[in-house]
Amino acid sequence: GAGVSQTPSNKVTEKGKYVELRCDPISGHTALYWYRQSLGQGPEFLIYFQGTGAADDSGLPNDRFFAVRPEGSVSTLKIQRTERGDSAVYLCASSPSGGSSYEQYFGPGTRLTVT
Amino acid sequence: QKEVEQNSGPLSVPEGAIASLNCTYSDRVSQSFFWYRQYSGKSPELIMSIYSNGDKEDGRFTAQLNKASQYVSLLIRDSQPSDSATYLCAVNQGGSYIPTFGRGTSLIVHP
Repeated sequence: GAGVSQTPSNKVTEKGKYVELRCDPISGHTALYWYRQSLGQGPEFLIYFQGTGAADDSGLPNDRFFAVRPEGSVSTLKIQRTERGDSAVYLCASSPSGGSSYEQYFGPGTRLTVT
Repeated sequence: QKEVEQNSGPLSVPEGAIASLNCTYSDRVSQSFFWYRQYSGKSPELIMSIYSNGDKEDGRFTAQLNKASQYVSLLIRDSQPSDSATYLCAVNQGGSYIPTFGRGTSLIVHP
């Protein structure tokens, strides 16, 4: 079946601009996670959705970052007033819900470059 | 702060050897442990999960978990150049739905 998809694959934007990054999870996966990854580092947690609601947004670095998942499937990560420090690869992962299995399946990522 | 520690490497092994990758974690109340492989420029790919003490084997991969000592390891037998990648350890500490990732260990398998 289809895996997690993310669009765009690359995004270059100017400092101060607004960007939206999209994630389409594996069908039937109710849990969705956003991470960002910088070179030489592991994925850094941003936000976790269970269904339509943000169950944990403690990883969002500041109020310029926001994410939604209105119908419990596709999610959009929104970054306002981008800064050069926001440049990273943004990863989305989905996971089946329930039990003790938190296995995550990652999308290909969006490479964001803020100039 | 809950931490997951990995040696960044690189770990260099000859083709055909056993590669041993290690990971330690700080929270004793941890339930779920994962190894992901990440090729350069690609996203992480789940290769192993382990939930109870002991060994779990899947093909050339063996995950080993020791909760008393708070470490989890990954053994790759008969290493191939195609195994060259960064290996990320992830731990759901304290029963959280949010995994904590280590920074990864770079593995190089040379012919």
